[in-house]
Amino acid sequence: EPEVTQTPSHQVTQMGQEVILRCVPISNHLYFYWYRQILGQKVEFLVSFYNNEISEKSEIFDDQFSVERPDGSNFTLKIRSTKLEDSAMYFCASMGPARFAFFGQGTRLTVV
Amino acid sequence: GQQVMQIPQYQHVQEGEDFTTYCNSSTTLSNIQWYKQRPGGHPVFLIQLVKSGEVKKQKRLTFQFGEAKKNSSLHITATQTTDVGTYFCAGPRQGGSEKLVFGKGTKLTVNP
Repeated sequence: EPEVTQTPSHQVTQMGQEVILRCVPISNHLYFYWYRQILGQKVEFLVSFYNNEISEKSEIFDDQFSVERPDGSNFTLKIRSTKLEDSAMYFCASMGPARFAFFGQGTRLTVV
Repeated sequence: GQQVMQIPQYQHVQEGEDFTTYCNSSTTLSNIQWYKQRPGGHPVFLIQLVKSGEVKKQKRLTFQFGEAKKNSSLHITATQTTDVGTYFCAGPRQGGSEKLVFGKGTKLTVNP
């Protein structure tokens, strides 16, 4: 079964440091997403990406965040200067022709 | 902006009891999707409903999409311990982008 792969599974970083979260979406999918889930809370939309550009972003996705698809397979989320409140599980998802999302296993980001 | 509300937030049942979670969107949806997230896991797609008034069944799970395409429900008959998890509804706004907006989820616990 096709799957979305995320690395690393857990990242611990110092406040103010930059982190890059990586995702390999399913190969024939066209829509890519990053979601965030603070422990025990709902899945929050961050950004969607289609046709090599951001199609929509939430108010959470401020100037500290950026996304890239550098080589046609990887899809990355960069947080430039992490804050304590960025600690969360970050899920990458991709969507294909059937218009539902496949989620990766997530990266647990801990900012200390 | 688009909001998706789910009730109840938590539900605790005895094994064998039925369970229902309700989902309401502030906007008309092009489709409604349901996901299940096991404790410590990632959201996994369960089903998608597209048509107004549609009802779909998956074994003990029954999904409904309202006539106005703004609400939905998931009903589980005779819950089992394997049903434990958080159930999320999500949907893209009709005529909008492919952004999936998630409800807060209903966390189901089942007493054996």
